[in-house]
Amino acid sequence: DTGVSQDPRHKITKRGQNVTFRCDPISEHNRLYWYRQTLGQGPEFLTYFQNEAQLEKSRLLSDRFSAERPKGSFSTLEIQRTEQGDSAMYLCASSSTGVKDTQYFGPGTRLTVL
Amino acid sequence: SQKIEQNSEALNIQEGKTATLTCNYTNYSPAYLQWYRQDPGRGPVFLLLIRENEKEKRKERLKVTFDTTLKQSLFHITASQPADSATYLCALVNDMRFGAGTRLTVKP
Repeated sequence: DTGVSQDPRHKITKRGQNVTFRCDPISEHNRLYWYRQTLGQGPEFLTYFQNEAQLEKSRLLSDRFSAERPKGSFSTLEIQRTEQGDSAMYLCASSSTGVKDTQYFGPGTRLTVL
Repeated sequence: SQKIEQNSEALNIQEGKTATLTCNYTNYSPAYLQWYRQDPGRGPVFLLLIRENEKEKRKERLKVTFDTTLKQSLFHITASQPADSATYLCALVNDMRFGAGTRLTVKP
């Protein structure tokens, strides 16, 4: 399977703990995006990379969130000191420049903060 | 800032009928607009892209229109089937903005 993969698929954690999610994009894609989605809402943009450069971050993204894409391939999203409001589906997508940013999404990581 | 509104939270139709979903945006006309399908517990899947200079785009039973005067896109599924039941999202991908989606249920 050469689609976007995310790990883990589900994560349950206690409030105050740190969590880290991984995304492996489609190999030839140079752009990678992180979104958050809650029930009944569309994906909400968090941040975006072109190769290893983080080009944009949502103003809604608190300082507890950080993302990296160290070698321009896989990416990690870390949430520090999790809060119950962080409970959501975290989606990763990738795209290739020159194809109108059609984004290919992974299956998501479902985070539950108790 | 640009907002996207999908007016219907849910739409129920009978198998064989045409489903029509609406997407409105509030400010400047985007260069292009996309539609995605999302099944429960899964990531969105790209369906169609339409450019601002295109009035209509088709793919099999799917049709998308784009009216920059009305600031609106319509998404049609003809001869709908129960397998078409899903949430459909419109997106202004340049702005990385998605609508809240319309949950379509096609009843046999």
